[in-house]
Formats: sequence, structure tokens, C-alpha cells
Amino acid sequence: AQSVAQPEDQVNVAEGNPLTVKCTYSVSGNPYLFWYVQYPNRGLQFLLKYITGDNLVKGSYGFEAEFNKSQTSFHLKKPSALVSDSALYFCAVREGGSYIPTFGRGTSLIVHP
Amino acid sequence: NAGVTQTPKFQVLKTGQSMTLQCAQDMNHNSMYWYRQDPGMGLRLIYYSASEGTTDKGEVPNGYNVSRLNKREFSLRLESAAPSQTSVYFCASSELQPNTEAFFGQGTRLTVV
Repeated sequence: AQSVAQPEDQVNVAEGNPLTVKCTYSVSGNPYLFWYVQYPNRGLQFLLKYITGDNLVKGSYGFEAEFNKSQTSFHLKKPSALVSDSALYFCAVREGGSYIPTFGRGTSLIVHP
Repeated sequence: NAGVTQTPKFQVLKTGQSMTLQCAQDMNHNSMYWYRQDPGMGLRLIYYSASEGTTDKGEVPNGYNVSRLNKREFSLRLESAAPSQTSVYFCASSELQPNTEAFFGQGTRLTVV
């Protein structure tokens, strides 16, 4: 069975500082990993995904994520946070043969001016 | 460029009333999903449809029914609404392949009083 954990309910960071939102996963086979962002009163929007290949994946709005197979992690990062990055972030996993993406509980990112 | 369209956006029901949430996608995706989002619970899968003509239960199917009317449309029905079904409901769609991301509707905010 596939599962994903986001250990932090909330992450606070000052504007201009680097940010990290953590995600760990558990799958039986090869993982396909995703990050989504949700702004208030909106649906989830796709940010980036890891399929195979380079462990550092680049996505929308300057975000990137680092895949670490030995630590079963897929942390979301950004070198310099913006106030407009404040939102709810979800990590998701699908494994080979699965029809269903499984989502984490979400991490609220708050970027302070 | 509509993507995934959900109706209605807001709804207030009395306990025991019924209603159907509508969802349509224009991306020719095979898979469609219904999730509910509750504070602190993340996204929980209610039902999914891997392809036209098939539906399967997710994590929290009790109190709900679904219909995959055709490839475009996937509706969610509450036969007898309960206050515990107060939530934000999201429809999503994706390709069958596990390395593909999901696309989400804007959500339906349902309150059962």
C-alpha cells in the first residue's frame, strides 16, 4: 500500500529566506511523487513531479524538490520565499499499477514580510 | 481552457435532504476522483472511476454514491445528508498512467445543518 506523510502542519519562514516543506513516502514499488499547492478557496494546482532520473526536480513558481530514495523523502524547496507563496502544500504519491494518488495531510506555509 | 468544472460552488442542505454534485472534465482523461477535504484531515478519497463504466470505493464511501455518466462526467450523490458530511468536495481527473498528475476542480463547499 502507498502512503505519504507530511510531518509539519505549519511552516513559518521570513520573506527572502529559503524554505523547505517536508514529505516522506512509503510504496511497494517505484514511486511517482507530486507536489500540489492550494490557495484559499481554490482547488489544488500541480507544482512538480518526480518520475525517474535526476533527483532534483524543478517546477512552477521557482519551486524545486529533492528526491532521496534512501530516506524515502521528497522535500519541497525554494531558495528565496515570497509572501505570495503562502498557501497549503500537499505531497502525493502514486506507485506503479495504482490508479489512485494518495495525498498527505497538507502543510500550511506562511511567509512573513 | 476549462479543465475540471464542478457545480455548484456552494450549497447548504438540511439534514436528510439529498443532492448531486456535478463534475465534468474536458481533457479526455480516463480516471476521475471525488475527494473531501476537512481541516487537519487532508484529502480523503470518497470514490474513484478508473475508466468509463467503472467505479470503486475509496477511503470514506459511506453515505455517498457515484455515477460515471460518460467519459467526461462523474457525479457524486448524497442520498440523505448528515452534518458529518459538511466539507469541501473536490473532483479531480488524470490519465491512468501513475506518472501523470491530477487536475482539480474549484471545489464545492457543502454545509449540512
